Amino acid sequence: GENVEQHPSTLSVQEGDSAVIKCTYSDSASNYFPWYKQELGKRPQLIIDIRSNVGEKKDQRIAVTLNKTAKHFSLHITETQPEDSAVYFCAASSGGATNKLIFGTGTLLAVQP
Amino acid sequence: NAGVMQNPRHLVRRRGQEARLRCSPMKGHSHVYWYRQLPEEGLKFMVYLQKENIIDESGMPKERFSAEFPKEGPSILRIQQVVRGDSAAYFCASSPTSSLFKNEQFFGPGTRLTVL
Repeated sequence: GENVEQHPSTLSVQEGDSAVIKCTYSDSASNYFPWYKQELGKRPQLIIDIRSNVGEKKDQRIAVTLNKTAKHFSLHITETQPEDSAVYFCAASSGGATNKLIFGTGTLLAVQP
Repeated sequence: NAGVMQNPRHLVRRRGQEARLRCSPMKGHSHVYWYRQLPEEGLKFMVYLQKENIIDESGMPKERFSAEFPKEGPSILRIQQVVRGDSAAYFCASSPTSSLFKNEQFFGPGTRLTVL
């Protein structure tokens, strides 16, 4: 069935360092890959997304790369700040008419000041 | 420009009672998705609705759970005869009507259901 794997489950970095989170997906029909940031007790917030016709997308300190052949995509955060600390979820759309999102299990990012 | 709204934000029910969760999508959005998040876990898809139609309910438990999105008013997720295992955060997300941006889903603040 549809599945998204996400690694690592926890990540601790020093302020100013880079953080990388990786995901793999199983459904070859997936064509949309968003990343969400969720702070404790809050809603998931869309921070960046990428569609299957693009290999890389960047927005200030955040970038996402997609390798459709290998079915994996990654989130890169540069110059991390304490306020980047949160749980990050990757997701892949199911394709077809539904476009439901299949989520990874999340990565708890802790940025140490 | 109000975002996705959900109410109540917190709901406490005793075992066997009914829970009704409401979701109002963003203005101009006619696609609604419901997801469930168990404590310290990821989000799991439950159901996808458009106005007056259930498009995909493959993630809904077969019993006690139902959803609707009437022509007028919010989408409602209904859980009958709640059990302790239903305790979770229930998030609603809405998506634009335009096919170009149909994929983007914006989440509401969630309803945290606690079953005693």
